[in-house]
Amino acid sequence: GAVVSQHPSRVICKSGTSVKIECRSLDFQATTMFWYRQFPKKSLMLMATSNEGSKATYEQGVEKDKFLINHASLTLSTLTVTSAHPEDSSFYICSAHDPAGVFEQYFGPGTRLTVT
Amino acid sequence: RKEVEQDPGPFNVPEGATVAFNCTYSNSASQSFFWYRQDCRKEPKLLMSVYSSGNEDGRFTAQLNRASQYISLLIRDSKLSDSATYLCVVNRDNNAGNMLTFGGGTRLMVKP
Repeated sequence: GAVVSQHPSRVICKSGTSVKIECRSLDFQATTMFWYRQFPKKSLMLMATSNEGSKATYEQGVEKDKFLINHASLTLSTLTVTSAHPEDSSFYICSAHDPAGVFEQYFGPGTRLTVT
Repeated sequence: RKEVEQDPGPFNVPEGATVAFNCTYSNSASQSFFWYRQDCRKEPKLLMSVYSSGNEDGRFTAQLNRASQYISLLIRDSKLSDSATYLCVVNRDNNAGNMLTFGGGTRLMVKP
């Protein structure tokens, strides 16, 4: 199946700093990527839809100025958590839509962010 | 009301047991349905799509009832390796195409 990678897999940062997470589709071109957040023992919550070459679409309640998304190429989307706070500590997962499959998404391995 | 609802469990079953999970969804316009499996601290992985006529993949059988907006997953002859959280997933609406909404997940623990 299609492969999606994320980097870094784990990051610890101090409050007030910014963290960038990369999501790459390795063997297909993804015009659309999705960013999710998952808190412990909770389900995935969609944060935003990342569209190549255009602005991301954010879900209600997600601050676009805090979670900056850039989808500059067909294989790379980045999520930057700006001015991170401890409550931003979570598991961030990206997924990419494979155009060859109508509704299927492939997930990256996730990035565990801890803000101290 | 949540868009996709599941019993969180946990379901504790012995090896070899048959276990069934249910899921209901609120958006009648939803067009595609999936079961994903998520292991602890890992990303979700597609287990199977769910088709209107029902479908089977080895020990796993998925059913869809559009009238009741209800999806099920049946696991036969449970293995220890089936222990995971099972996520019921629907696409949000036909126009959105590939936007997925996740249920809260049902945790399964298979014991020796």
